Amino acid sequence: DTAVSQTPKYLVTQMGNDKSIKCEQNLGHDTMYWYKQDSKKFLKIMFSYNNKELIINETVPNRFSPKSPDKAHLNLHINSLELGDSAVYFCASTRGGASYNEQFFGPGTRLTVL
Amino acid sequence: QKEVEQDPGPLSVPEGAIVSLNCTYSNSAFQYFMWYRQYSRKGPELLMYTYSSGNKEDGRFTAQVDKSSKYISLFIRDSQPSDSATYLCAMTDQAGTALIFGKGTTLSVSS
Repeated sequence: DTAVSQTPKYLVTQMGNDKSIKCEQNLGHDTMYWYKQDSKKFLKIMFSYNNKELIINETVPNRFSPKSPDKAHLNLHINSLELGDSAVYFCASTRGGASYNEQFFGPGTRLTVL
Repeated sequence: QKEVEQDPGPLSVPEGAIVSLNCTYSNSAFQYFMWYRQYSRKGPELLMYTYSSGNKEDGRFTAQVDKSSKYISLFIRDSQPSDSATYLCAMTDQAGTALIFGKGTTLSVSS
């Protein structure tokens, strides 16, 4: 009965590698987000999709590419990983298209780049 | 100046204390104000939600918004060890395009 799930929960990889994180929500929500939380707990929006359409694309390196195959899934692919990409990545979803609606977060994916 | 400023703490209080958490912001277009609570190694979850100015109370929690001062607060009465978490303020404008978070305040309540 998990609402928002992410895989994997932990990801340890070498610099220069390419990796993907997957997110799925079973809440029937229209909008999904990717956030990055750094070591100081600062949570920052990266991308937002509404019904498979990209609506928020914050200033992130183009090595990060989101993809939404359907409105229940939002994946994040990262090319050429760098040390600074180490963080916890959270997926979230909300009803409707506005971020002021309650956002439901996944458990996070802890990415460590060595 | 960052859009949302929040003292990261950490804040340590004894059980039963009244806790005050605060954020200031610079964007006068912000209309929706939220507090999310994040337990260690978990995702944030919505705790309190306020639209525009005023107070909102929910059990031991009270959220206050003062738009004239661009200042929001979260008060926790009779704090419990289970309140130990990081509290993130968040806000957005009328269009609700992106939720802007503060850096979070880590609270520890000792029994």
